[in-house]
Amino acid sequence: DAGITQSPRHKVTETGTPVTLRCHQTENHRYMYWYRQDPGHGLRLIHYSYGVKDTDKGEVSDGYSVSRSKTEDFLLTLESATSSQTSVYFCAISERLAGADNEQFFGPGTRLTVL
Amino acid sequence: AQSVAQPEDQVNVAEGNPLTVKCTYSVSGNPYLFWYVQYPNRGLQFLLKYITGDNLVKGSYGFEAEFNKSQTSFHLKKPSALVSDSALYFCAVVNYGGATNKLIFGTGTLLAVQP
Repeated sequence: DAGITQSPRHKVTETGTPVTLRCHQTENHRYMYWYRQDPGHGLRLIHYSYGVKDTDKGEVSDGYSVSRSKTEDFLLTLESATSSQTSVYFCAISERLAGADNEQFFGPGTRLTVL
Repeated sequence: AQSVAQPEDQVNVAEGNPLTVKCTYSVSGNPYLFWYVQYPNRGLQFLLKYITGDNLVKGSYGFEAEFNKSQTSFHLKKPSALVSDSALYFCAVVNYGGATNKLIFGTGTLLAVQP
């Protein structure tokens, strides 16, 4: 978890409310990712960023938006939370795009419960 | 599209015995494969990776993985399990897509080491 923090670490919210999760890194890595972890699904990519203001969708992006105004911060927003978005959310960073010589480093996670 | 499969949801092994956590892959082109470990309430940590060359890859905490091209497998192994190895293990493969390379994760295998 070195160099990556996520806030909040736990959140309980109600259906229909907006929620923003924050990922902050001190490693100056170019690439940042948001995943959700659900039993039976492993980790699934929601959105990722390849630079300031440069973002793209992952495999489960519906209902989520992201923003990256600074290298160190990557925000994930649920515009109107639904119960299906109850999950554990992980932020990850990497120096280079996924490839042979590139690991991703993960934050500690945010447990989100939508009632 | 690239994918990985972890056929076992859980593996049980006695402390001191050898352990194997299975992973099979499906790729077009050269496979770049990773193993990550997740301890309770923590983010994922990189264990090892296969790029090319020697089919036996050594990683952190005494783990190793054997790449087998004919069986399209990348099984994680350790000669002597420790109780502290109990965790959730994920296999992952790089999915190439031009500027959008991503890591694709398996569903995870829970390793339980009994004392």
